Amino acid sequence: EVQLVESGGGLVKPGESLRLSCAASGFIFSHYTMHWVRQAPGKGLEWVSSISSSSSFISYADSVKGRFTISRDNAEDSLFLQMHSLRAGDTAIYYCANSNDWTHANFASWGQGTLVTVSS
Amino acid sequence: DIQMTQSPSSLSASVRDRVTITCRASQTINTYLNWYQQKPGKAPKLLIYTASTLQSGVPSRFSGSGSGTDFTLTISSLQPEDFATYYCQQSYSTPWTFGQGTKVEIK
Repeated sequence: EVQLVESGGGLVKPGESLRLSCAASGFIFSHYTMHWVRQAPGKGLEWVSSISSSSSFISYADSVKGRFTISRDNAEDSLFLQMHSLRAGDTAIYYCANSNDWTHANFASWGQGTLVTVSS
Repeated sequence: DIQMTQSPSSLSASVRDRVTITCRASQTINTYLNWYQQKPGKAPKLLIYTASTLQSGVPSRFSGSGSGTDFTLTISSLQPEDFATYYCQQSYSTPWTFGQGTKVEIK
């Protein structure tokens, strides 16, 4: 059974940093493209970032480019999102998700999400 | 960026009703269109990918169709567990974008 478990969320002040993690199991992590998708409270889904299976390709939404960094550790079956210069607009549940295609990604399996709240 | 527009934003329906949700892309996306279901407090779940392929384990009452810019998700006979919010997502090009969601409520 595929499992994705996010952690690292919490309450931070504007301008601060946070690092999210996603622990994967139940599939061959190193074969899959991984993603972060977020959902602001009561709002829709917004793609944040993607990383290819070998980390060769990385992409970001314009809203987080230059502030967020996605990375992965295939030896540890883990995905990360380093977030800097956090803003109130970054407040959301952050989900990690996988896909077997970098070029045309659908988000096949999702974690339960971790809540990031940015507030003074 | 490719804009995805769903309609309606919400609908009320009864059990056993046939429900159709539409999704329109701002430019052609071939059949690179995926549908998700999200229940309150839960993560989204992939229902259909590449416009019409049912994800493993998804009941056959769900179906998808369309190509180019216009797509539909159909639930042939609505069941109590289908009351949820549905999102479309284009996988034609980054940034991957979602529709605003369609909330299916009990009439």
